[in-house]
Amino acid sequence: SQTIHQWPATLVQPVGSPLSLECTVEGTSNPNLYWYRQAAGRGLQLLFYSVGIGQISSEVPQNLSASRPQDRQFILSSKKLLLSDSGFYLCAWRGLRNEQFFGPGTRLTVL
Amino acid sequence: GEDVEQSLFLSVREGDSSVINCTYTDSSSTYLYWYKQEPGAGLQLLTYIFSNMDMKQDQRLTVLLNKKDKHLSLRIADTQTGDSAIYFCAESNSGNTPLVFGKGTRLSVIA
Repeated sequence: SQTIHQWPATLVQPVGSPLSLECTVEGTSNPNLYWYRQAAGRGLQLLFYSVGIGQISSEVPQNLSASRPQDRQFILSSKKLLLSDSGFYLCAWRGLRNEQFFGPGTRLTVL
Repeated sequence: GEDVEQSLFLSVREGDSSVINCTYTDSSSTYLYWYKQEPGAGLQLLTYIFSNMDMKQDQRLTVLLNKKDKHLSLRIADTQTGDSAIYFCAESNSGNTPLVFGKGTRLSVIA
């Protein structure tokens, strides 16, 4: 069966520091992968999605970037965090009926 | 772009039925989905319905789809305190495009 992992689970970082969040999927090949941000327990904001290795589509211009170095690995990065980057970051992969299956999320607090 | 709308809050008494409503604009939607998010967790896929169906029932959950009016609803029978969560409606129009999510309905169950 397929599983999706995200780490770290929580992160507290100072403004201006770099960021690297990792997402890995097991039990499926060449999945579509997605990064979302959720602020204050409300709606989801799609940040990036990837249909294959090295292929990244950016939905929102900002100081974040994404990379897909391996088939089942999706990384979200920033060179310098802003206060507004705080939030709950969710990774997801796409199933056969176009549904998305979500990871447990990473809670990021920028101080 | 396509849009999905939901009411933000719903409060029900334990044991009553809950009905969460959603409207969408994409007339070419193929699948529609309901997700549940508990505090601090990722989104959990509850159920989905294919666009050529009117109704789908799964234990306490009933999904109704009115394709003409582009209206989707989720009925939870015998609502329990464990059903308290945020419920997201989402739609897909196939291909590689990501799902379009509503902003979520916060369901509060009063004992």
